[in-house]
Amino acid sequence: RKEVEQDPGPFNVPEGATVAFNCTYSNSASQSFFWYRQDCRKEPKLLMSVYSSGNEDGRFTAQLNRASQYISLLIRDSKLSDSATYLCVASHNAGNMLTFGGGTRLMVKP
Amino acid sequence: EAGVAQSPRYKIIEKRQSVAFWCNPISGHATLYWYQQILGQGPKLLIQFQNNGVVDDSQLPKDRFSAERLKGVDSTLKIQPAKLEDSAVYLCASTQPGGGGHEQFFGPGTRLTVL
Repeated sequence: RKEVEQDPGPFNVPEGATVAFNCTYSNSASQSFFWYRQDCRKEPKLLMSVYSSGNEDGRFTAQLNRASQYISLLIRDSKLSDSATYLCVASHNAGNMLTFGGGTRLMVKP
Repeated sequence: EAGVAQSPRYKIIEKRQSVAFWCNPISGHATLYWYQQILGQGPKLLIQFQNNGVVDDSQLPKDRFSAERLKGVDSTLKIQPAKLEDSAVYLCASTQPGGGGHEQFFGPGTRLTVL
């Protein structure tokens, strides 16, 4: 079983739609969680951290459920520029080592 | 501020050949990471350096992979000999020292094709 699991997609949605991605992690010692975005043939970049209380950054909302070991990312009012792969990430030590999920591919259509 | 630099950007070799990749992290970043990203998968950590010391290399296939960061700044990753399954993008990342959060800044990667 992979330590961080995601539905690979692709999720094909029209512009303006709301889309949600889910992620589960198996290591209960995981302490910190993130979503990274990776454009085609580019490097990953941090999209947002995920806090236990849930957090929002513009059209993006991230939530964490430690009891269920589940993380989500909600994107409202999808834009064409949101088309990318979204990587769910967990860190379980202070050494800043990250474990990446396989990524969920999003394609926003006009 | 300059980002993480990597070279070469692309490399094609035949199996059993050797190859080396170079990374120069963001200035002042003490922690450096090498990841392997196979097509369709997320990045997998190979090795983590703190200055010139290895923090974790548990997922580095040490029979063929080696890495060094002798002066605590730039780093090289070597594969010798390469196998077909080593075809992947090799990403280098760095972070600031201390408790500045977990954001890792990635370089553009080296795309390796083993024929």
